[in-house]
Parts: sequence; structure tokens; C-alpha cells
Amino acid sequence: QKEVEQNSGPLSVPEGAIASLNCTYSDRVSQSFFWYRQYSGKSPELIMSIYSNGDKEDGRFTAQLNKASQYVSLLIRDSQPSDSATYLCAVNGRLNFGNEKLTFGTGTRLTIIP
Amino acid sequence: DTAVSQTPKYLVTQMGNDKSIKCEQNLGHDTMYWYKQDSKKFLKIMFSYNNKELIINETVPNRFSPKSPDKAHLNLHINSLELGDSAVYFCASSQEREGASYNEQFFGPGTRLTVL
Repeated sequence: QKEVEQNSGPLSVPEGAIASLNCTYSDRVSQSFFWYRQYSGKSPELIMSIYSNGDKEDGRFTAQLNKASQYVSLLIRDSQPSDSATYLCAVNGRLNFGNEKLTFGTGTRLTIIP
Repeated sequence: DTAVSQTPKYLVTQMGNDKSIKCEQNLGHDTMYWYKQDSKKFLKIMFSYNNKELIINETVPNRFSPKSPDKAHLNLHINSLELGDSAVYFCASSQEREGASYNEQFFGPGTRLTVL
């Protein structure tokens, strides 16, 4: 079983609709969860972080975390063509203070159709 | 510009050669990382250094040797390159912040290594 699993897609969503990206993780002691966006040929960019169960909203993005189900998701409202990218779910297994170890999923490729 | 920079951006070489990738960050961060991203976009940590001290070494073949001359630089030297080493290598850095739940990692632009 992979440590962090995502549906690789591709996921196609019409412009203006809600895109829903899902991620599950295997390590129950994980405490921090992240969504990175990666455009083709570019480096990953952090767009959302979440630490507590429930929802966290930032603009058009909402991250949802359910630690009991070991599940984290990202919703993108009013999807725009510029949202077309690969979205990487990452889980933090902190080794000690200040030293982070991120475990990434394989990413979901999202395409927004104009 | 403040950033994480890597050189070279592209590297094409023959099997068996030895090559190095350089990384520099001018963000004043204490911790630097090397990640490998394969053709399926799977991004996996290889090494991390905190103030020039090796913290993470993720069962990477010993043909890969990181070197941190100072906390702003983390270079990656690869000996006897193999076809399977072809990937994009990302450098990243982060800064320890007291009370923070997480220290955001900033990624460099990546180095695309192709081994022929």
C-alpha cells in the first residue's frame, strides 16, 4: 500500500464547475497535510495546508480533512482554465522540530475545459 | 530575486558518467532538500540537510552524494549514472519557525536529467 494515494486522473471539469480532488494516507500519526499545484515543466507550489479535522477555505480553494478516515480533499470552486495542472497531495511526518519530511502522492492531473 | 535556484536546468549525459547539480537559496533558510520526480510525476525525497548536517537519507544509492558547503548551498553529485537516474531533480528549502505547525518548503525550478 502506498503511503499517500491519489487518483492519477486525468480529471476533466468544465469551466465554472467545482473540481474535487481526493487523497488518502496510510500513516495514522500524520498531523499536517498539504496540496501543491504543479504546472507542466514547473516546480511544485504550495496552495493549501490543513492540520485540523474539518474544512479550511482560502479563496476558491477548500481543503477538507478527516483524520478518522485518513482522507484529505481539495475543492476548487468556479474552476478556471488556469487551474489546469497536476495537484500533489503531501503528508508531513515531522522528524523533529524544524525538520520536515514530506511524503507525496503521485498527483492528479486536472484539466479545466473552457 | 529571492529564490531557490538550481543549475543546470537541463543535463543530458551518457551512462557511466559523473555529474553534479548545484542548488543555492538566498532565503536565509536553515534546511535544504533534494527530491527526485520520475516520469510519472512521483515526487520523492532523497536527502535533507539542516545547517550543513545530514538529516534525511532515504535509501538512495550511494552513487548519490549530497554536499552542503554552507547552509545556503546543497549540491548533488551522482557517480556512474544509470538510465534509471533520468528524472527531474528538485531542490527545496525551508526555515524553522518557532510555534509553527509546519515550515513551508520552497522549491527550485528543477533540473531535468536525461541519461542516454
